[in-house]
Amino acid sequence: KNQVEQSPQSLIILEGKNCTLQCNYTVSPFSNLRWYKQDTGRGPVSLTIMTFSENTKSNGRYTATLDADTKQSSLHITASQLSDSASYICVVSPFSGGYNKLIFGAGTRLAVHP
Amino acid sequence: KAGVTQTPRYLIKTRGQQVTLSCSPISGHRSVSWYQQTPGQGLQFLFEYFSETQRNKGNFPGRFSGRQFSNSRSEMNVSTLELGDSALYLCASSLAQLTENYGYTFGSGTRLTVV
Repeated sequence: KNQVEQSPQSLIILEGKNCTLQCNYTVSPFSNLRWYKQDTGRGPVSLTIMTFSENTKSNGRYTATLDADTKQSSLHITASQLSDSASYICVVSPFSGGYNKLIFGAGTRLAVHP
Repeated sequence: KAGVTQTPRYLIKTRGQQVTLSCSPISGHRSVSWYQQTPGQGLQFLFEYFSETQRNKGNFPGRFSGRQFSNSRSEMNVSTLELGDSALYLCASSLAQLTENYGYTFGSGTRLTVV
């Protein structure tokens, strides 16, 4: 069964510190993996998207990595800011021949404290 | 360029009632997908529409239905509401049905509370 597991479920860090969120998936074959940031009560906003052949993708202080062999991805946040407090969702798109079959992880809830 | 617009933002309904939610995609986007998000369940796929046709459907009961109009705007309907239908309903639009290599843009969602 295609699944996406994220860890930790929640995380508290101090402002200015770095953190890494994990995403393990069993989806195969897959087309791409995306990381989204979702503020409370808002829709998810795309941070990065990587195809199966890419290893890393950066977007400002956000860096996503992908290891297709171990089926693991991570999102590293550098020099965290209070505005980084949000849920971070890992989404895998199976290679499904054209239909929208995104598989979502349950998310990691990050709280950045001053 | 305007983003994905969902209306209303908040809604309170009573058990047994029915509700219609609306989603206007980004101009030029022809694919609209709907998701249900509940705490602890994450986002669950409801259905996708492309060019007024439902092309894919998730594992939800028949009480959940949708449609898409010729201008790509989409509506989602839930009949005979249950308490468990309380959730944030999100729609996402993309350029085309072949979504592997296209980005998604989500709306801000409609928060439905069933009492």
